[in-house]
Amino acid sequence: GESVGLHLPTLSVQEGDNSIINCAYSNSASDYFIWYKQESGKGPQFIIDIRSNMDKRQGQRVTVLLNKTVKHLSLQIAATQPGDSAVYFCAEKFQGGSEKLVFGKGTKLTVNP
Amino acid sequence: ETGVTQSPTHLIKTRGQQVTLRCSSQSGHNTVSWYQQALGQGPQFIFQYYREEENGRGNFPPRFSGLQFPNYSSELNVNALELDDSALYLCASSLVGHTGGYTFGSGTRLTVV
Repeated sequence: GESVGLHLPTLSVQEGDNSIINCAYSNSASDYFIWYKQESGKGPQFIIDIRSNMDKRQGQRVTVLLNKTVKHLSLQIAATQPGDSAVYFCAEKFQGGSEKLVFGKGTKLTVNP
Repeated sequence: ETGVTQSPTHLIKTRGQQVTLRCSSQSGHNTVSWYQQALGQGPQFIFQYYREEENGRGNFPPRFSGLQFPNYSSELNVNALELDDSALYLCASSLVGHTGGYTFGSGTRLTVV
């Protein structure tokens, strides 16, 4: 079935440390995977995405890794800052048709000063 | 470039009533999707509109309906409100066929009492 889940509901790190947020997905037919950041009272904010034909993509302080063999996605945040504190969601996107996003439940990241 | 705006930001309704939520798409986007986000959960796809027609629907009953207007703005209507309809309703716009994520609004917090 269609489902995207996360291994850990909460993650607490020290400022300056690197953070790794994990995600498991079940639909091998998905074309895109997207990471979103959601701060309290706001809508999801796009962070980075990756195509299914890639295994790694880097942005500013963030890296997404895709392991299709085990259907696993991760978001790495370098030098985590207090402003990174939020809930992080991974989402699958199916190309064609409605191109709906299937979200997981989210991981709450807390950065301690 | 304006983002996605939603109104109202908060709303309280009584069970059995009807509600209309509104969304203005990001400039240049022609597709609007609506998501329901229950507390502590990831957003769930309700439906998507493209060229003023429904272009895909999630697992939501017919009392959830929508409209898209020629200027790409959109409405979400929910009839016969139930207590479980209490949630954050998110609107997201995108450009059909464009790779990448959606732009989300900050949502409307609906409380049904």
